Amino acid sequence: NAGVTQTPKFQVLKTGQSMTLQCAQDMNHNSMYWYRQDPGMGLRLIYYSASEGTTDKGEVPNGYNVSRLNKREFSLRLESAAPSQTSVYFCASSEASGTWKFFGPGTRLTVL
Amino acid sequence: EDQVTQSPEALRLQEGESSSLNCSYTVSGLRGLFWYRQDPGKGPEFLFTLYSAGEEKEKERLKATLTKKESFLHITAPKPEDSATYLCAVQAPRSGGYNKLIFGAGTRLAVHP
Repeated sequence: NAGVTQTPKFQVLKTGQSMTLQCAQDMNHNSMYWYRQDPGMGLRLIYYSASEGTTDKGEVPNGYNVSRLNKREFSLRLESAAPSQTSVYFCASSEASGTWKFFGPGTRLTVL
Repeated sequence: EDQVTQSPEALRLQEGESSSLNCSYTVSGLRGLFWYRQDPGKGPEFLFTLYSAGEEKEKERLKATLTKKESFLHITAPKPEDSATYLCAVQAPRSGGYNKLIFGAGTRLAVHP
């Protein structure tokens, strides 16, 4: 039982490059989330998926897209990376949107 | 505006020196308050959920309490392995399809032998 897994763990991009962050959970959770964590700030929600087949914007969705591939997998795509997207990205899952969340280990992204 | 403020930003304790971390919040219609622990380079790990004023939860050396405006995480006789960043998050009323969760910036705790 791995919980929430994320790949890659580290990534360096140049401005304008694209990439996809992968997330998978093996707990049969309905809801999945993408957060970013920046120094001195709380975790901020980028996108979420309340259930398979649905996705919605969170607080800071600009510059990102998501895909809920199936119940297990939820990916985050940066189409044209910008230095402001340098951050640590966490995927999380929960049984329902109001319950406590399991977080993955994070992806540390640097955009030059 | 819904807001969560944690204090202090950083706290240094000697092993065995008890203390408290504070999480103050302004949100209309609290749906729950969560405490997480985050170790360096890792994702947050769930500790407690509190739902109503007066509620308390305990786990080993940690005890979380809740009032109408703030929550405290009390650490009794801490050990070096309690060193971590402690995050507080408040759940606001449902907006659209989502129960909005607002995180504080965290308190970095260092416990020295």
